[in-house]
Amino acid sequence: GAVVSQHPSWVICKSGTSVKIECRSLDFQATTMFWYRQFPKQSLMLMATSNEGSKATYEQGVEKDKFLINHASLTLSTLTVTSAHPEDSSFYICSASGPANTDTQYFGPGTRLTVL
Amino acid sequence: DAKTTQPPSMDCAEGRAANLPCNHSTISGNEYVYWYRQIHSQGPQYIIHGLKNNETNEMASLIITEDRKSSTLILPHATLRDTAVYYCIVNRGGADGLTFGKGTHLIIQP
Repeated sequence: GAVVSQHPSWVICKSGTSVKIECRSLDFQATTMFWYRQFPKQSLMLMATSNEGSKATYEQGVEKDKFLINHASLTLSTLTVTSAHPEDSSFYICSASGPANTDTQYFGPGTRLTVL
Repeated sequence: DAKTTQPPSMDCAEGRAANLPCNHSTISGNEYVYWYRQIHSQGPQYIIHGLKNNETNEMASLIITEDRKSSTLILPHATLRDTAVYYCIVNRGGADGLTFGKGTHLIIQP
């Protein structure tokens, strides 16, 4: 299957700082990228969908000014958590799919964010 | 809410076939059945997907009933490394975000 990477794999930051997470599709062009969040003992929750060169579409309840998403190329999307607070501590996972509607979503390994 | 129903947990002996059921009685004609699994603290791993025909790959087989209201994922020879949470998801394809339910926690016993 296709390979999606994320960086960093884990990050610890102080409350009030911003954190950027990168998601890359390594061997295919990702027309659409997705960002999910997973709290302990819960399932993944979709946060937003982004298409290359377009503004991201956020799910209900996700603050777009807090979670900035940029999908500037067909292989890179970034999620910036602005002014992070302890309640933002979570496992953030991206996924990517190719241009065909029937393309499968492939997931990155995830980024563990801890806000102190 | 997730559009699928799965048992919360299952046990299977190592070396035996693991059969994981999923109900998706409200599936639409243009929706696929996808299976992913998540090992603790990792991103989900794609396993297999299908529309209406049975599918097989190097990881598993997917059996979809004729009315498409349910399916079964089969891991033919389970190993300890197959212990994970398995998610059955119905989705129109790559452009739509996935809705994860609670999945089935499959535990492979030695």
